[in-house]
Amino acid sequence: NAGVTQTPKFQVLKTGQSMTLQCAQDMNHNSMYWYRQDPGMGLRLIYYSASEGTTDKGEVPNGYNVSRLNKREFSLRLESAAPSQTSVYFCASSESFTTGDTPQHFGDGTRLSIL
Amino acid sequence: AQSVAQPEDQVNVAEGNPLTVKCTYSVSGNPYLFWYVQYPNRGLQFLLKYITGDNLVKGSYGFEAEFNKSQTSFHLKKPSALVSDSALYYCAVRDPYNFNKFYFGSGTKLNVKP
Repeated sequence: NAGVTQTPKFQVLKTGQSMTLQCAQDMNHNSMYWYRQDPGMGLRLIYYSASEGTTDKGEVPNGYNVSRLNKREFSLRLESAAPSQTSVYFCASSESFTTGDTPQHFGDGTRLSIL
Repeated sequence: AQSVAQPEDQVNVAEGNPLTVKCTYSVSGNPYLFWYVQYPNRGLQFLLKYITGDNLVKGSYGFEAEFNKSQTSFHLKKPSALVSDSALYYCAVRDPYNFNKFYFGSGTKLNVKP
């Protein structure tokens, strides 16, 4: 059981380049999330998708776009990368958003450096 | 607004000693609280949660957490630390008005020395 799979694991970009981070889950979860992790700041929510076909902004959405391709896949796109977007990006999923007791399941992250 | 604070960047304990990792929260409404652990180069793993009921919650790997409503705290504890417990620990609160939103603390690095 793979859980949440993120690709790529590492990436180096130049300022202004674009790229898409991929995420897929095999747990039949409705909700999916993208976070960024920065030292001393914990995890901050970028975007989330409560169900297939819907997406909503989180705490730090500027500079990012997302696509919920189907129930399994949720991608994050950087259209014009900036050094401030250097971070570790985590995708997560959870079973349901109608009850508060379901935890999130995380992928192993994408380590992104922007020069 | 909902928030979580982890006042200690790092906690050092000796193997075999009890450990506590602190967390305080601010929530308008009923708190849904979680603890996660992160090992190097891995994603976060769920440890335990408090939704309602007993104030002492038991979770994975021998960890437990004590919910204290009057002190708005949810401290993570373990009676006897292992070297393998060394990791980064995150406390999180779920927004009671939007279950899709979680707010994480800044994390606490636990170092268990042999």
